[in-house]
Amino acid sequence: GNSVTQMEGPVTLSEEAFLTINCTYTATGYPSLFWYVQYPGEGLQLLLKATKADDKGSNKGFEATYRKETTSFHLEKGSVQVSDSAVYFCALSRANEKLTFGTGTRLTIIP
Amino acid sequence: GAVVSQHPSRVICKSGTSVKIECRSLDFQATTMFWYRQFPKQSLMLMATSNEGSKATYEQGVEKDKFLINHASLTLSTLTVTSAHPEDSSFYICSAPLGSTDTQYFGPGTRLTVL
Repeated sequence: GNSVTQMEGPVTLSEEAFLTINCTYTATGYPSLFWYVQYPGEGLQLLLKATKADDKGSNKGFEATYRKETTSFHLEKGSVQVSDSAVYFCALSRANEKLTFGTGTRLTIIP
Repeated sequence: GAVVSQHPSRVICKSGTSVKIECRSLDFQATTMFWYRQFPKQSLMLMATSNEGSKATYEQGVEKDKFLINHASLTLSTLTVTSAHPEDSSFYICSAPLGSTDTQYFGPGTRLTVL
């Protein structure tokens, strides 16, 4: 079956530091890959997505590239802000199928 | 982007009562919606897939008689927690895919506390 393995947290960084959250997946075929973000007490928001190999998803300074050869979709941001503190979920899915989530990575940015 | 709402955002009830949570797609139609449960500091656990016009599909281990799901229209799915007990206290989140795409949009969640 499908599975997503995410870098374990929590992760604590100083403001303006470089961020990488690792994500690897196991799936048959060619699923779409997602990063969702959850702020405290809220639901999940779609951060970015990629639908095929070598696609790069980007949003709000975050980027992730669909790497089929390494089955990875690592999340990166060049300079994090305090407002980026949240829980980040890597996920995969196909059309009208359920999402398969990673365990989530809690990120805290300190000023 | 697509918007999904949930109501109520927060509910406190007594043990033994039933609680209904609504999930609405505000600017698109959704023949399928998903219901998740999230425990503190954990990932989301899929409870069931709600299908408009047919019965919901429950994940293994989820009691369908306790968690009643009704997909009344193309924009509304409801989850009713029947005879709630303290162990049902949790954060419940719904999601809906936009059209036939693989992208799901999530509601803001409902925090249920059973006393």
